[in-house]
Amino acid sequence: GAVVSQHPSWVICKSGTSVKIECRSLDFQATTMFWYRQFPKQSLMLMATSNEGSKATYEQGVEKDKFLINHASLTLSTLTVTSAHPEDSSFYICSASGGALNTEAFFGQGTRLTVV
Amino acid sequence: AQSVTQLGSHVSVSEGALVLLRCNYSSSVPPYLFWYVQYPNQGLQLLLKYTSAATLVKGINGFEAEFKKSETSFHLTKPSAHMSDAAEYFCAVTQTNFGNEKLTFGTGTRLTIIP
Repeated sequence: GAVVSQHPSWVICKSGTSVKIECRSLDFQATTMFWYRQFPKQSLMLMATSNEGSKATYEQGVEKDKFLINHASLTLSTLTVTSAHPEDSSFYICSASGGALNTEAFFGQGTRLTVV
Repeated sequence: AQSVTQLGSHVSVSEGALVLLRCNYSSSVPPYLFWYVQYPNQGLQLLLKYTSAATLVKGINGFEAEFKKSETSFHLTKPSAHMSDAAEYFCAVTQTNFGNEKLTFGTGTRLTIIP
């Protein structure tokens, strides 16, 4: 299967700072990327869908000014959590699909964000 | 609208015993159904998917699932559990066979294997 890499795998930041999470498709061109948030022992909640070169489409209730998503190239999407607060602490997962591999989405390994 | 319901947030089975994880779906159009596995602090790995080609779908690691339209179910089974099967399992549904279609996930089932 295709490889999607997320970086960093974990990050600790101070309240009020911003954190950027990267999601890269290593061996295919990802025309679509998804960002999910997962609280402990809960399911994945879709935050937004991004298509390369377009603005992201956010799910209801997700603050687009707080969770900035950029998908400027076919291999990279970034999620920036701005002015992070402890309630933003969570596990963030991306997935990507595209090209000849457009029959499924491939998931990154996730990023655990802790805001202190 | 589409949704999946996973019955049982926790399932425990003995090593070597049958694994059965339940998933029921609701969809206004013929669904595409998926089972994913998640190990601690990791992303999701696709176990198998139903795309209407065959009702019995075989996946990786010895898992399989059967699509039953009359029961709106897509239960995941494995004949003999291994310790390495301990993980969180998610059922998901979408309306197309394209990866750029967003998935709707169930709430997950944590599988514990008893030695």
